[in-house]
Order: sequence, then C-alpha cells, then structure tokens
Amino acid sequence: NAGVTQTPKFRVLKTGQSMTLLCAQDMNHEYMYWYRQDPGMGLRLIHYSVGEGTTAKGEVPDGYNVSRLKKQNFLLGLESAAPSQTSVYFCASKVAGGAYEQYFGPGTRLTVT
Amino acid sequence: EDQVTQSPEALRLQEGESSSLNCSYTVSGLRGLFWYRQDPGKGPEFLFTLYSAGEEKEKERLKATLTKKESFLHITAPKPEDSATYLCAVQTAAAGNKLTFGGGTRVLVKP
Repeated sequence: NAGVTQTPKFRVLKTGQSMTLLCAQDMNHEYMYWYRQDPGMGLRLIHYSVGEGTTAKGEVPDGYNVSRLKKQNFLLGLESAAPSQTSVYFCASKVAGGAYEQYFGPGTRLTVT
Repeated sequence: EDQVTQSPEALRLQEGESSSLNCSYTVSGLRGLFWYRQDPGKGPEFLFTLYSAGEEKEKERLKATLTKKESFLHITAPKPEDSATYLCAVQTAAAGNKLTFGGGTRVLVKP
C-alpha cells in the first residue's frame, strides 16, 4: 500500500496563477482532509470531506476550493494564488467515525511569488 | 473554541537525558488526544491515541499519559534518532472528526 500520496511535491506559482493539488489514498478511507502548515501556526484545517461527493469548510477555507469526485481522491484548488498561500500543504485520510488516527501524506511545498 | 498548547517550543537534550513534553488542551467533549512525530520535510507520523484520563501508552522510549486538562509525552533515555517535532492534536464530537493541533515541540537529541 502506498498510503496517502500527494502531487506535486514542490511548486512555484506567480501571484494570480491557479493550480490544483492532488491527494490520493489507497486505504479505502471515507474521510479526507487538507491542512496547511506554517511556521509558528501549526497545522490548520482548510477543507475536509466525509465521503465521495461531499466537502465542508475547515478553519481557513478562504481562497481555496476542493472536490471529491472519487472516494480515493481529494483535490485542492487555488483559483488565484496569493503570497499568503505560500505554505506546506498536507493531505490526510481516516476511516469513518470514531476517534481513529489520520494518516498523512508527504506534503506539497508551495511558494507564491 | 478548542485550544491546544504545547510546551516547550523547543527542547535540546543530551543522549540519555530523559525529559517530558506537555500538551494542554481546552475542549468541549474530548473524544481522543493524538500524538504525532514529524521529521523535517515529511508528513506527521502517528504515534498514540489516548481516550480518557488516566490512560497511558508506550512505544519504545516514548510514553504518553493523559489527564483531564493535559497530556505528557515522556522520552526516556533518548537517542539522536528521536530528534523530531512532536505534535499533539485533539478530536471532539464536532462534525468530520476534525483535529485541532498544537504548535508542536521541536526536540533535538545530541550524541
């Protein structure tokens, strides 16, 4: 099992450009999450999904959109990138319900200039 | 609003020098408290889940404990390979089984 994978690993964007980050998991997990991690801020939840076709806002959703068309994939989109979106982005997944652990991907380092 | 605070922010240890990391939390209805380890440039790696006050879990040189207001991660006789950032997170009954993370403790173990 590959677990949770993320593509790309690194990306540099110019202000105003758009991009999509892809998260894939092969554990048949129902729930999936997108976080950003910034120095001094810890991990903050952007959006999450509790199943195929569903999405919901997290703590810091502004400037991001997500889609969960297939159970195994969770896409994070930036429509018009801003320097404030420079961060490391992590995807995670878990089984449905209960206080079970989330499994994290390796991260995508995004720089917006 | 759920809050999680970790201390200290950074910890320098000599190999073999035991120490403890603190995670204090303010939540409504704790369902689980999680500890993760994160190496530079990598995603968080799950270590433990604690569910109720008084619970303890161990893995090699790590032992996690939980009270009603805080959790401790004890590192016994650490080795250089224990150097990492340790993250604490809480889950409540809120929709989506969301986690609220603390800021982490960076641990450096010198040989």
